[in-house]
Parts: sequence; C-alpha cells; structure tokens
Amino acid sequence: SQKIEQNSEALNIQEGKTATLTCNYTNYSPAYLQWYRQDPGRGPVFLLLIRENEKEKRKERLKVTFDTTLKQSLFHITASQPADSATYLCAASTGFQKLVFGTGTRLLVSP
Amino acid sequence: GAVVSQHPSRVICKSGTSVKIECRSLDFQATTMFWYRQFPKKSLMLMATSNEGSKATYEQGVEKDKFLINHASLTLSTLTVTSAHPEDSSFYICSARGGGNEGYTFGSGTRLTVV
Repeated sequence: SQKIEQNSEALNIQEGKTATLTCNYTNYSPAYLQWYRQDPGRGPVFLLLIRENEKEKRKERLKVTFDTTLKQSLFHITASQPADSATYLCAASTGFQKLVFGTGTRLLVSP
Repeated sequence: GAVVSQHPSRVICKSGTSVKIECRSLDFQATTMFWYRQFPKKSLMLMATSNEGSKATYEQGVEKDKFLINHASLTLSTLTVTSAHPEDSSFYICSARGGGNEGYTFGSGTRLTVV
C-alpha cells in the first residue's frame, strides 16, 4: 500500500541552525508533495508544494526538494527560530484530490 | 488568503447521541471538501471526500451510516457522527482547495469527546 514516512518523530535543534526534515514514499509515484505545519490542537497550515518535475522550491526561509530517484523530499528551515517549533507534515498526491499524509516530525527549536 | 471555517472547535456529547460538525469555505467555492480524523500524535487519516450535490466517497473501513456527510452548497459541508461512542472521540478536520491557495486549506479542527 502507499506509504509516506517521516522517519524522525522528533527533532531538536538550536536557534539559528538549519532544520532538515525527511519524507520518504514507497509503493507510490506522487505528482505532488506538500508540506504543512501543524500546531497543537489546530488544523494543518499549508507551507509549500513541489511538483515531480521540480527539483527545488523556496519560500523565504523554507526550502523543499523532490528527488524521484531516491523517492524522497527534504524540507529545510534556515535560521530557525523558537517560533518554528511545531509538527511538520509531509503529504503526497497524484493529482489534486486526496492527500496521503506522513506521520509528522515534531520540531523543537531551543533558544 | 483562503479560509476554511470549522465549528464547533470542541464538543462533548453523551454516548448514543449525534453530533454535527460544519465546515465552510469563506470567500471561495469548494466543490470538493475532505474530512480527516486524527488521533493523538498520529497523522491525518482521510475519512471521506465530500462532493457538492452528490454522494460522498468514503475511504475503506469508514462506515458511511455512522459518519454522514452532506455537501449541500458550494461553501458548506457537514459531518454528522451518529450514535456516537467513546471510540469516536477524536480530532476531526476538514479541508478544501481553492481561493488562490496552491495547497489545501484546513479548518481549525473539532475535538470530539464522547462520554
């Protein structure tokens, strides 16, 4: 079955460093990968979308890559801040219909 | 940007009663909305796809008679948990795509507790 794995349940880093989160997919060939931020007790908030024919996408301090050979997406937050602390979810889809979500990575940025 | 409004944010109900959760797209029309369920420290599991003017499409293992979905207008979808039991306690979230957002816009979620 289609599987989206975020292999770090939690990630602790120091303020100012770059956080790198990993998303791997198996038994799947998604056309789109999306990254969302979720704070406790809230719904996810869309951050970035990358298409299978795009290698990299950036938005302010965020960068996402899509490697169809490795079947992997990396999500980077540069110059991380304590306010970036949240759970980050990777989601895949073949079109703009249903999303398959990963289990999420809890990021904690310490001052 | 696109906003999806979800109500109520929290509800406590007795076993055997029904609970309705509303999901509205503000300032954009959503012919399709999605309903998810999330357990603590777990990911979002898609329950069903709500289609305006037609029947919802349920994921495997989701009881359609238990989780009634109505998408009567282009801006409103409702999820009714019928004859709720404690095991239905969970965080329910809706989403829609549109309003100029490249990804999906999610509601703020509903924490359902069945006692």
